[in-house]
Amino acid sequence: AQSVTQLDSHVSVSEGTPVLLRCNYSSSYSPSLFWYVQHPNKGLQLLLKYTSAATLVKGINGFEAEFKKSETSFHLTKPSAHMSDAAEYFCVVSTPGTYKYIFGTGTRLKVLA
Amino acid sequence: SQTIHQWPATLVQPVGSPLSLECTVEGTSNPNLYWYRQAAGRGLQLLFYSVGIGQISSEVPQNLSASRPQDRQFILSSKKLLLSDSGFYLCAWSVLTGNTGELFFGEGSRLTVL
Repeated sequence: AQSVTQLDSHVSVSEGTPVLLRCNYSSSYSPSLFWYVQHPNKGLQLLLKYTSAATLVKGINGFEAEFKKSETSFHLTKPSAHMSDAAEYFCVVSTPGTYKYIFGTGTRLKVLA
Repeated sequence: SQTIHQWPATLVQPVGSPLSLECTVEGTSNPNLYWYRQAAGRGLQLLFYSVGIGQISSEVPQNLSASRPQDRQFILSSKKLLLSDSGFYLCAWSVLTGNTGELFFGEGSRLTVL
């Protein structure tokens, strides 16, 4: 069975400081992992994905995530937060070859001026 | 390039009225199609997915149904809406490439049932 846990429902950072959004997963197989961002009343946009290639994955808008199998984690980071990063972020796990995606409950990121 | 269209964007309906939300995908063939619901301040709940025309899998027993009359068209329906059907509905598609594939989302449809 697959599951994903986003450890923080809300994160607040000051503009220009680093961002860390935490995600732990559980999967019986080698998983595919994704991070999505959702701005208010909008659909979800893919930030980055891990598909068993490089463990450090770079995405759009300066975000990156590192797949750590030993810790079953896929945390999202960004060196310097921008006001436009304020949104909700979802960690997603999928078993390769299946049609199902399991979403975390989301982390709302607030960026303070 | 691929695009996904979802409509209407917003909808206010009385309890007991019917519902039809439509989603179409352009620029790809034989996509996997999905309907998700997002309640206020909550995560995404998978409602239905389809791997081909006429093939619908339901994840949660409920007041809704889905149909896929054409390869790139996915419709979410209800005969009689309930207050609990209010939410933000998202259509998405994916294509498995080399054993994996990401989801691409529409802009969403906000349904308010009064």
